[in-house]
Amino acid sequence: DAGITQSPRYKITETGRQVTLMCHQTWSHSYMFWYRQDLGHGLRLIYYSAAADITDKGEVPDGYVVSRSKTENFPLTLESATRSQTSVYFCASSEYRGIDTEAFFGQGTRLTVV
Amino acid sequence: QKEVEQNSGPLSVPEGAIASLNCTYSDRVSQSFFWYRQYSGKSPELIMSIYSNGDKEDGRFTAQLNKASQYVSLLIRDSQPSDSATYLCAVGGEGGGNKLTFGTGTQLKVEL
Repeated sequence: DAGITQSPRYKITETGRQVTLMCHQTWSHSYMFWYRQDLGHGLRLIYYSAAADITDKGEVPDGYVVSRSKTENFPLTLESATRSQTSVYFCASSEYRGIDTEAFFGQGTRLTVV
Repeated sequence: QKEVEQNSGPLSVPEGAIASLNCTYSDRVSQSFFWYRQYSGKSPELIMSIYSNGDKEDGRFTAQLNKASQYVSLLIRDSQPSDSATYLCAVGGEGGGNKLTFGTGTQLKVEL
């Protein structure tokens, strides 16, 4: 099906481990984003990408790494997971159309770091 | 640091009533504004966008924008129990809606 999909949906990992969250979109949107959602903070931007091989930091990038070798994929890696990175992670994509650009979200990945 | 403020609620309204959700933003040059609905355990779903001052209507939903007051609102007419969700206000960044800054959301409860 067309759209934006994230995997895994749920993940439990131990402190200090590396974990990668996957995001795949079939719309060929140029922009992709990673947000995390925490109680009391809402959705906060971690990293975004304007095109393949172009990435930039968002509001809360520390402890995360991204890459975008193909337009359709935008994986997020936690290099050494910490308990503070326990959160729900959402990937989103959009195609730039000026001020009326709309972003669409994947179903989310619930990550627990123990 | 751009800020988007929303009352966390919960906002409780009876079925059939009008629900009014409000949002203020700090960046005066913002040009695009979005309302997302998020059911518990689900992802945000875009329901309205607005770019010009005034009202924009789509079915039971009306978005209102006042750039001078840096204020965005969402009205839901004839509220239904299925409207019970958290409503997220989002403000677009440079070049339009590519980088969104979100409010923390307002929880709406529509009671029978």
